[in-house]
Amino acid sequence: KAGVTQTPRYLIKTRGQQVTLSCSPISGHRSVSWYQQTPGQGLQFLFEYFSETQRNKGNFPGRFSGRQFSNSRSEMNVSTLELGDSALYLCASSPGLADTEQYFGPGTRLTVT
Amino acid sequence: GENVEQHPSTLSVQEGDSAVIKCTYSDSASNYFPWYKQELGKGPQLIIDIRSNVGEKKDQRIAVTLNKTAKHFSLHITETQPEDSAVYFCAGYGRSNFGNEKLTFGTGTRLTIIP
Repeated sequence: KAGVTQTPRYLIKTRGQQVTLSCSPISGHRSVSWYQQTPGQGLQFLFEYFSETQRNKGNFPGRFSGRQFSNSRSEMNVSTLELGDSALYLCASSPGLADTEQYFGPGTRLTVT
Repeated sequence: GENVEQHPSTLSVQEGDSAVIKCTYSDSASNYFPWYKQELGKGPQLIIDIRSNVGEKKDQRIAVTLNKTAKHFSLHITETQPEDSAVYFCAGYGRSNFGNEKLTFGTGTRLTIIP
């Protein structure tokens, strides 16, 4: 069974721009969570989607948003990029809502200049 | 919300020796504690987990112990090998500040196996 895939793997943007990242979960998994990983803050939870609805969210500003499609694929969007948004963005999938076992993708490395 | 602390931040052990990484958590309602291994350029990989109704779990060279009373859990790797070198994260599944449950991660331990 294929794992979680994320595209693109690397991205360079400038301040003020917006960016969209994509995640395809493991086949059959219906829940997708997003995390931001930085050296200073570690792994921080962004939000979780299930059945095309945001079910849980972390403590991030409204510039960070996401959505999920009927095939469980998910996208996250960051608007008005700031230098501090430079990070590895990780997507994790699990079979259902609040399923504790999460499987991570390789991440998208975002650099904001 | 849940707070997970992890120690040490770096750990170097001789190949063949054992490695132990410890975590504490704050939310007594947390009921699931996974451990992830992250290699360079990759996402975290789930290597073992334990639920709150179990005190210990083993999988070949890896074991996890949980002390609910003290609210701490540990990862034990025996007979370490060079391929065990990576960053290890513990996590607790507990209440977020918004009331829902989510995984809260420790700050990670960089494990280096010295050949």
